[in-house]
Amino acid sequence: GENVEQHPSTLSVQEGDSAVIKCTYSDSASNYFPWYKQELGKRPQLIIDIRSNVGEKKDQRIAVTLNKTAKHFSLHITETQPEDSAVYFCAASVAGYSTLTFGKGTMLLVSP
Amino acid sequence: ETGVTQTPRHLVMGMTNKKSLKCEQHLGHNAMYWYKQSAKKPLELMFVYSLEERVENNSVPSRFSPECPNSSHLFLHLHTLQPEDSALYLCASSQFTGLGTSGYTFGSGTRLTVV
Repeated sequence: GENVEQHPSTLSVQEGDSAVIKCTYSDSASNYFPWYKQELGKRPQLIIDIRSNVGEKKDQRIAVTLNKTAKHFSLHITETQPEDSAVYFCAASVAGYSTLTFGKGTMLLVSP
Repeated sequence: ETGVTQTPRHLVMGMTNKKSLKCEQHLGHNAMYWYKQSAKKPLELMFVYSLEERVENNSVPSRFSPECPNSSHLFLHLHTLQPEDSALYLCASSQFTGLGTSGYTFGSGTRLTVV
């Protein structure tokens, strides 16, 4: 089955810096790659996603890039703010299946 | 109400009790999921229901029993749990087509404590 590796497990940045979280996946049949943000005590929420027919997608300060050849995808957050502090999960799903396989999460800490 | 609603938000139960967690989605999705989230652990998939049929059961102990009476409702029946079952139980839903899934919408979760 699909395996998703996520790095780093913890990331500390200063406010205004950029943050990058990387994930790799194992199944070349995967075609959908969402990212979720989970603030302390709250539900995971979808923040951005990308499908395998697109190499990059941007939404304001957040962008996701996908390299199908290398089987990795990354989340980029620019001009970080303290409210970006949360756990971020990447995920992947194989075409034809409904199940997402999640990475282990990255705790992002943005210091003022 | 829109989105995915889970009840109760918090539950404390003894090891000999029987309780049920409820999830309801108002998004018209056709797939629903139960996940377990423990401290410092990744999201663990427990059960998947697609078009009201259970399609996946990730070696979950029989003390957890899911039920999906229709596409909008999902239950997780609990009995004779162990303290290590204490965790946040998250329900999610998505729209599944033959090509794959949409993004998941999660409920707020039930914080379960087994004493």
